[in-house]
Formats: sequence, structure tokens, C-alpha cells
Amino acid sequence: SQTIHQWPATLVQPVGSPLSLECTVEGTSNPNLYWYRQAAGRGLQLLFYSVGIGQISSEVPQNLSASRPQDRQFILSSKKLLLSDSGFYLCAWSVPRGGGGSLNTEAFFGQGTRLTVV
Amino acid sequence: AQSVAQPEDQVNVAEGNPLTVKCTYSVSGNPYLFWYVQYPNRGLQFLLKYITGDNLVKGSYGFEAEFNKSQTSFHLKKPSALVSDSALYFCAVRLRSGGSYIPTFGRGTSLIVHP
Repeated sequence: SQTIHQWPATLVQPVGSPLSLECTVEGTSNPNLYWYRQAAGRGLQLLFYSVGIGQISSEVPQNLSASRPQDRQFILSSKKLLLSDSGFYLCAWSVPRGGGGSLNTEAFFGQGTRLTVV
Repeated sequence: AQSVAQPEDQVNVAEGNPLTVKCTYSVSGNPYLFWYVQYPNRGLQFLLKYITGDNLVKGSYGFEAEFNKSQTSFHLKKPSALVSDSALYFCAVRLRSGGSYIPTFGRGTSLIVHP
């Protein structure tokens, strides 16, 4: 069965420090991968998505970047954190269209990382 | 613009009573609609989805959802609410972005079930 791991669960970082959040998926190949941010326990904002190694699409230009160095690894980074980067970060995956997935396939989420920038 | 909307920020219901969490959609073509649940400080969990066929979809934990094409709605329901159902509920649809279809979520509805 497929599983998704996301760490760390919580993180407190000073303003101006770097960030690296990691997400890995097991039990599937070539997944579509996503990073979302949830502010104030509410709606999800899509930050980045990836359909393959080295392929990153950014939905919202901001202080963050993403990379996919391996098929099932997705990393969210920042060189210098801002106070406004605080939030709950969620990684997710779904089956790609070419892999049996389509418009009607659901997404599977990691447990999230609570980031507080102080 | 294509989207999903959840008109209620919060729904309050007494334990044992039926519950409804509302979702409306604006999608071109056939809508593929989803419901997810999120417990505090956790990721989202998939509950159910509508593809085609029966308008009443059954999902996890006793939840079901009714698809209504004429009203462009996909409301989440449960006949008898439990206190443990208290959580944040998201309606979702996959929307096209570039060459991909991205899971796109409503703003969420907080369900509070009172003992």
C-alpha cells in the first residue's frame, strides 16, 4: 500500500533562517506531488506541484521554492524565512493520468508540518 | 471561473441529529467532486467522491453525499452525528492548470457536534 511521510511535524524558526521540509511517498511510482499551505486552520493554498523529477510548477510567487530530486521525494525550501511564512504545510500525492489516475482520483495527504517563524 | 464553494464557515449540530455540510460547484464539463475531513493538526483524509452514476455516494465513517446537477451542489450528509465527527470538512474538485488537473479545495466548513 502507498504511504506518504512528511517531516518534521513541528518547526520553530527565526526570521531570516533557511527552511527545508521533506516529503516522501512509498509504494507508488511517478506520483503527482503537491505542496499546500493552510493559514489559520482554513482553506488550502496550492504552492507547488510536480508531475515528474525536476518538473516544478509554482502557483504563487513568493519566498518559497520546491524541488523534486527523486521520483518520490518533494522538498519545500526557503533561503530566508519571513514572519508571513508561518502556517501549516501539507504535502500530498495523487496517481498521475498516465498511471491509471484521472480527473476522478483523490489526493492523499501527509500529516503536515506546523511552521512558526519567530 | 471554475471553483467549489462552501457557504458555511461553521455548522453546529447535536449528537444523534442528522448533519449536512454544503458545497456548490462551478465546473465546465463533467464534475468530479470530493469530500475530505481534517482533524486538528493533521492532514486531510479522503471521505468520498462523485464520478458518474448514482447521485447518492456513500463513503467512510457513515458519511454520504448527494450530487444534484440542477442545483450544482454536492452536500455532505450523515444520518446521525457523533461528537467524534467534529472536524474541518473540505469539498474539492480537480481543476486544470497547464497540462495537469490540480486538487482545488473550498475554504472549509467547521463541523461542531454537541453532546
